[in-house]
Amino acid sequence: AQTVTQSQPEMSVQEAETVTLSCTYDTSENNYYLFWYKQPPSRQMILVIRQEAYKQQNATENRFSVNFQKAAKSFSLKISDSQLGDTAMYFCAFNEAYSGGGADGLTFGKGTHLIIQP
Amino acid sequence: DGGITQSPKYLFRKEGQNVTLSCEQNLNHDAMYWYRQDPGQGLRLIYYSQIVNDFQKGDIAEGYSVSREKKESFPLTVTSAQKNPTAFYLCASSIGGSFPTGTFGSGTRLTVV
Repeated sequence: AQTVTQSQPEMSVQEAETVTLSCTYDTSENNYYLFWYKQPPSRQMILVIRQEAYKQQNATENRFSVNFQKAAKSFSLKISDSQLGDTAMYFCAFNEAYSGGGADGLTFGKGTHLIIQP
Repeated sequence: DGGITQSPKYLFRKEGQNVTLSCEQNLNHDAMYWYRQDPGQGLRLIYYSQIVNDFQKGDIAEGYSVSREKKESFPLTVTSAQKNPTAFYLCASSIGGSFPTGTFGSGTRLTVV
């Protein structure tokens, strides 16, 4: 079974600073997807960024980027120029990739509560 | 607009009662999922369904039941056998195969009174 570990229950940074959230995972699979989700106080799950394990290039979405280290099974999220609206819970998640169906959902970490201070 | 609708947003249940949470999607997604979220925990998978009339248990299925009679609908019943049902419940769907196409509903907060 896969496991996802987020070792930082809570982080706090000043607005405009850069912050990195850590995530490690354990799997015996070679092909999989990794995700970062944002959950603001509304509790809506918002996809921030995703990474396909077979792609060596790190994914980037505007101010959000990842550092994907496949051998180390590490998948950290960097938020640049942090904004007050980035305050939320952030969840790292894992999903195996199947070639022909068999979607069995995501495995989540316990989350990091990120607070952006004005 | 396409999306996932969960209802109700808030639900109160008396101890010993069964209650059903609704999840409807108009995205034409094949797969649907139910997750439970508790404070300090990530989301945990309760049940999932890849096609109509078929579903599988997730990590915490005890005390829950589901049905998938239509592609668009995947209701979750929280039975009286669930020891601690107070939680936030999220429904999701995806095209299938794997989750990159996944979309979440806005959730239902269930409280046992």
